[in-house]
Amino acid sequence: QSVLTQPPSASGTPGQSVTISCSGSASNIGSNIVNWYQQFPGTAPKLLIKNDDQRPPGVPERFSASKTGTSASLAISGLQSEDEADYYCAAWDYRLNGDVFGTGTKVTVL
Amino acid sequence: EVQLVESGGGLVQPGGSLRLSCAASGFTFRIYAMTWVRQAPGKGLEWVSAISGTGFTTYYADSVKGRFTISRDNSNNTVYLEMNSLRAGDTALYFCARDRNPSDHWGQGILVTVSS
Repeated sequence: QSVLTQPPSASGTPGQSVTISCSGSASNIGSNIVNWYQQFPGTAPKLLIKNDDQRPPGVPERFSASKTGTSASLAISGLQSEDEADYYCAAWDYRLNGDVFGTGTKVTVL
Repeated sequence: EVQLVESGGGLVQPGGSLRLSCAASGFTFRIYAMTWVRQAPGKGLEWVSAISGTGFTTYYADSVKGRFTISRDNSNNTVYLEMNSLRAGDTALYFCARDRNPSDHWGQGILVTVSS
């Protein structure tokens, strides 16, 4: 059972902006960094955002993220058809002494 | 180029055992922690286990603690996941990933099916 809660779906038309929330608690998001992963069907996840808000090399600038308290969010601006994928937040949880993933959000480009 | 290749998956009966391997190349293996993450069919990602670069520190999800053991062989650039007392709920695609929090490179995954 995931301890990080995300909306199951989000959608937008090309060019629009989409924001995905990730709600946690003091033992995870509230005290540790948040990372975001992108996963296309049938493929391995890809690191999209690390250390709350940093884009690894090669990740387009239209992807951004932030964190406030025990919640985090991922924003996609200028939505493109190739952004249609599943997105997961993740953080270390000191009570569980392990990583936890969000429930995942499927982004659809209309 | 970082490469992670999982092997050892397959069909196993409930209560059975299986050992997954993940062969790493393209980086200095011994200085990186390694992680296993799984994904049940049609479901989300679930963190399973992680191990430090030296192998001295290990971490487990509550769902596998006491049944799964993670280990590594730094001379052969390989990380293992020994899975015992397997249950239907362990059926999933198992991914090996470099580092932890975050994991920056992932293998393509290996399927484990627990069924009679």
